[in-house]
Amino acid sequence: EAEVAQSPRYKITEKSQAVAFWCDPISGHATLYWYRQILGQGPELLVQFQDESVVDDSQLPKDRFSAERLKGVDSTLKIQPAELGDSAMYLCASSLTGTPGGYTFGSGTRLTVV
Amino acid sequence: RKEVEQDPGPFNVPEGATVAFNCTYSNSASQSFFWYRQDCRKEPKLLMSVYSSGNEDGRFTAQLNRASQYISLLIRDSKLSDSATYLCVVTSAGKLIFGQGTELSVKP
Repeated sequence: EAEVAQSPRYKITEKSQAVAFWCDPISGHATLYWYRQILGQGPELLVQFQDESVVDDSQLPKDRFSAERLKGVDSTLKIQPAELGDSAMYLCASSLTGTPGGYTFGSGTRLTVV
Repeated sequence: RKEVEQDPGPFNVPEGATVAFNCTYSNSASQSFFWYRQDCRKEPKLLMSVYSSGNEDGRFTAQLNRASQYISLLIRDSKLSDSATYLCVVTSAGKLIFGQGTELSVKP
């Protein structure tokens, strides 16, 4: 079964440092999503790409977060500087047609900011 | 008010019990509805879609009431392996909006 690849699985970083996460969606999936899940809460959408274009980044804290998908394939999410409140699971998902039922999530990156 | 609201639980039930989860959503324009399952420290996985006519998948039954903006999930004959967090999900402007999840713990 095809998977969405994410790395690293775990990341511990100090407050004010920069951190980056990588996602490789299922081959051919044009739509890519980054979600953040704080412990005890449901995932919240940070950014949605259609190919290389940002479709929705209304919930992305743009003063410190950035996301790119330069060639419309893999994607990077960056935080600079990291804050204690950024500790969470960062989930990447992809979809072939953009229809919500067709999402596949990666295993996520668990970020701890100390 | 959150767009999708669930009782966070936890629900602690014995094996074989029937358990029901409820969910309400605020956006009447929501078009699609799902239940996802999330095991501890793992990614969410689609459990089932929810249709207005109600639908069943083995021991799982999902119901949707558009007029009341209410979604439910019923699990019959609970198994130990059903222990997980169940996330109610609706679409809004083409995006998945998740509830906070309801934790289920099935005990022997």
